Amino acid sequence: GQQVMQIPQYQHVQEGEDFTTYCNSSTTLSNIQWYKQRPGGHPVFLIQLVKSGEVKKQKRLTFQFGEAKKNSSLHITATQTTDVGTYFCAGHNTGKLIFGQGTTLQVKP
Amino acid sequence: DTAVSQTPKYLVTQMGNDKSIKCEQNLGHDTMYWYKQDSKKFLKIMFSYNNKELIINETVPNRFSPKSPDKAHLNLHINSLELGDSAVYFCASSGGGVFSNQPQHFGDGTRLSIL
Repeated sequence: GQQVMQIPQYQHVQEGEDFTTYCNSSTTLSNIQWYKQRPGGHPVFLIQLVKSGEVKKQKRLTFQFGEAKKNSSLHITATQTTDVGTYFCAGHNTGKLIFGQGTTLQVKP
Repeated sequence: DTAVSQTPKYLVTQMGNDKSIKCEQNLGHDTMYWYKQDSKKFLKIMFSYNNKELIINETVPNRFSPKSPDKAHLNLHINSLELGDSAVYFCASSGGGVFSNQPQHFGDGTRLSIL
């Protein structure tokens, strides 16, 4: 079945440093979604990418969808302590949303 | 005015017991889901319902039985609880049908601990 792999599993950064998480699918995706889960919280939808090569920005967050629609990345510029949490990518396959394993970001003040 | 609400938030019980988790959404969505999140934070879909009809049933033991009395509610009953059932269970909903690719809205989760 389809797999969505996400790396790294954990990332510790100093506040102000940049952070990137990468997502790879074993199959071509129709779209990819990104979610953020704060510690003790629930996943919250951030954004959806649909087009090949698409780039979207939300303040310090930049999301990219690969040309082949099989990979995606989330880059955070100048991290803040409020960015702490687990970031999940998720791709659709036959009605199911397949989540990556998530990247847990820790930010040291 | 919580969008997706599930109860209880915490559930601590003995092995072998039967328990239920309730979920309600007030977003007017047609599709609802149950996910299991293990201790490594891996999120795996268990079931999805569209307008009270079961659409997705992953390889979940038949001790788990979902029920959707109407499209705003999706409950999960678990029989004969086992240690491996300890996890956080999330309910979610989305607009459109199961194949619509709409964003999913999650409840706060139910933290189930089996003693």
